[in-house]
Amino acid sequence: AQTVTQSQPEMSVQEAETVTLSCTYDTSESDYYLFWYKQPPSRQMILVIRQEAYKQQNATENRFSVNFQKAAKSFSLKISDSQLGDAAMYFCAYRGSGGSNYKLTFGKGTLLTVNP
Amino acid sequence: KAGVTQTPRYLIKTRGQQVTLSCSPISGHRSVSWYQQTPGQGLQFLFEYFSETQRNKGNFPGRFSGRQFSNSRSEMNVSTLELGDSALYLCASRTDISGRNTQYFGPGTRLTVL
Repeated sequence: AQTVTQSQPEMSVQEAETVTLSCTYDTSESDYYLFWYKQPPSRQMILVIRQEAYKQQNATENRFSVNFQKAAKSFSLKISDSQLGDAAMYFCAYRGSGGSNYKLTFGKGTLLTVNP
Repeated sequence: KAGVTQTPRYLIKTRGQQVTLSCSPISGHRSVSWYQQTPGQGLQFLFEYFSETQRNKGNFPGRFSGRQFSNSRSEMNVSTLELGDSALYLCASRTDISGRNTQYFGPGTRLTVL
């Protein structure tokens, strides 16, 4: 079974600084998809960024970028120029492309605090 | 385009009762999945519906059931509620059940069982 591990339960960053959230996963599949979701106190789960495993290029969305290391099964999220609105719980998630493609497997989350 | 909507947003029930939660997917999305979120277990997959058929089911007891209507709206039902069913129930929709598309989540229904 696939597992997703987020080793940092909590992180903090100063406004305008850069922070990196870690995520590792375990899978025997060669093709899969990885996601970072953000869940602010309002509880709405919002997609931040996604990465297809077959793509070597790291995904980028404005201030958010990932460092995808397929061999190491690592998928970290970098937030540049952090803003107060970035404060939230961040979840790393995995979805396979084969028989397990129906569900997302989530990590336990990292609570990010942004200090003014 | 409107996002995924869930009703009600908050619900308080007592043990032994049953409850029905509703989810309306993004227009054009035909797949709806349900997840349970608790502080202890995190986010866990309940089931997924596509074209009015349950396609996949997570490791939850039979008290948890669902259905999907022809307009892709979905309902989730929990019977004989237990204290441990208190959770945030999230619904997510995607265009179809192809592995490459992204799931978008609704705001959730907060269920409290007393």
